[in-house]
Amino acid sequence: AQSVAQPEDQVNVAEGNPLTVKCTYSVSGNPYLFWYVQYPNRGLQFLLKYITGDNLVKGSYGFEAEFNKSQTSFHLKKPSALVSDSALYFCAVRDDTGGFKTIFGAGTRLFVKA
Amino acid sequence: EAGVAQSPRYKIIEKRQSVAFWCNPISGHATLYWYQQILGQGPKLLIQFQNNGVVDDSQLPKDRFSAERLKGVDSTLKIQPAKLEDSAVYLCASSQTRDVLTQYFGPGTRLTVL
Repeated sequence: AQSVAQPEDQVNVAEGNPLTVKCTYSVSGNPYLFWYVQYPNRGLQFLLKYITGDNLVKGSYGFEAEFNKSQTSFHLKKPSALVSDSALYFCAVRDDTGGFKTIFGAGTRLFVKA
Repeated sequence: EAGVAQSPRYKIIEKRQSVAFWCNPISGHATLYWYQQILGQGPKLLIQFQNNGVVDDSQLPKDRFSAERLKGVDSTLKIQPAKLEDSAVYLCASSQTRDVLTQYFGPGTRLTVL
């Protein structure tokens, strides 16, 4: 069965510092991995995805994520955090064995302090 | 390009009442999803449509929840009768055939059951 874990409920970082939001996953086959961001009173917004190929995936707003197969991780990163990055971030996974369901993590709240 | 539209944005009902939510996906998107997002949790897939056919409804509580997408465009999700534990945000998302993995979310409907 598919599962995804976001071990941190909240991440605090100072503006201008690098940020990392952690995600680990478990799937039967090969994973499709995603990051979404949710601002207050709004739906989720797609940031980036990993399907195959280069382990470093670049996405919207300067975010990137690194796929690590041996550690079954897909951590979200940004070299320099902005106050406007403060939001709720969700990691999600879907496998390539024919299942259609995308499983979302519980979310990590990112707080960037000015 | 218009995004995914949902209505109403907020709904408050008494337990045992019925409620319906409406979703209009992005034009041309064949796949439509309904998710339930309980406070503090990630979205959980309730039902997925491909055009007007159901692809996955394994997590839909069929004794009280129903959904339809009659003409393969907009969709309605109904709860009858509602329970206290149905209080959540109901998110609709859609994706296009040539990039089915990327989902575009609507703003959601926040349901409070008293």
